[in-house]
Amino acid sequence: DVKVTQSSRYLVKRTGEKVFLECVQDMDHENMFWYRQDPGLGLRLIYFSYDVKMKEKGDIPEGYSVSREKKERFSLILESASTNQTSMYLCATVRGPNSPLHFGNGTRLTVT
Amino acid sequence: DQQVKQNSPSLSVQEGRISILNCDYTNSMFDYFLWYKKYPAEGPTFLISISSIKDKNEDGRFTVFLNKSAKHLSLHIVPSQPGDSAVYFCAARGGSNYKLTFGKGTLLTVNP
Repeated sequence: DVKVTQSSRYLVKRTGEKVFLECVQDMDHENMFWYRQDPGLGLRLIYFSYDVKMKEKGDIPEGYSVSREKKERFSLILESASTNQTSMYLCATVRGPNSPLHFGNGTRLTVT
Repeated sequence: DQQVKQNSPSLSVQEGRISILNCDYTNSMFDYFLWYKKYPAEGPTFLISISSIKDKNEDGRFTVFLNKSAKHLSLHIVPSQPGDSAVYFCAARGGSNYKLTFGKGTLLTVNP
């Protein structure tokens, strides 16, 4: 079974703080993703990475950056947290083109 | 521009009856479709998928139907159980990358 581990389940940060969300996968997959989920808006893609040090913007990259220094680890960075970034953040990985994404358990981030 | 649409925010059914969740898409390049189930405070769990070369895929109580001409897919759950109560997301993929585009979700409530 694919295991995707997100370092924190719940996080509370203050406006303006720099926030790091970490994700680790154990399947040696090349492709990793960060989504956020908000009620009534579904899952929206923030960034994805198809290899170490490679990244592409998703649909809502503003206010975020990412880092992929090692194949198993994909980090999402909020440079200066704002209240509208309060959300559930979901990391995912995928084996190949006709395979589903496998998600971690999510990080519920609250910015006050 | 919403490429994957779930027009019913919620659905309520009785235990033992059929649940039918619907999804429409607009992008003709989509060729792989998936359904995910999500409980609160957890990551989405993959349920079932279908590629565009098929029109039906079945896995136990879950069946997905794809109508390419109508750009419509549906998920049938028979019989519905109270444990099926969750948010269901439809997702689609097409082209050379592996990212998924999600609908906004449908909250299914199965009443005992």
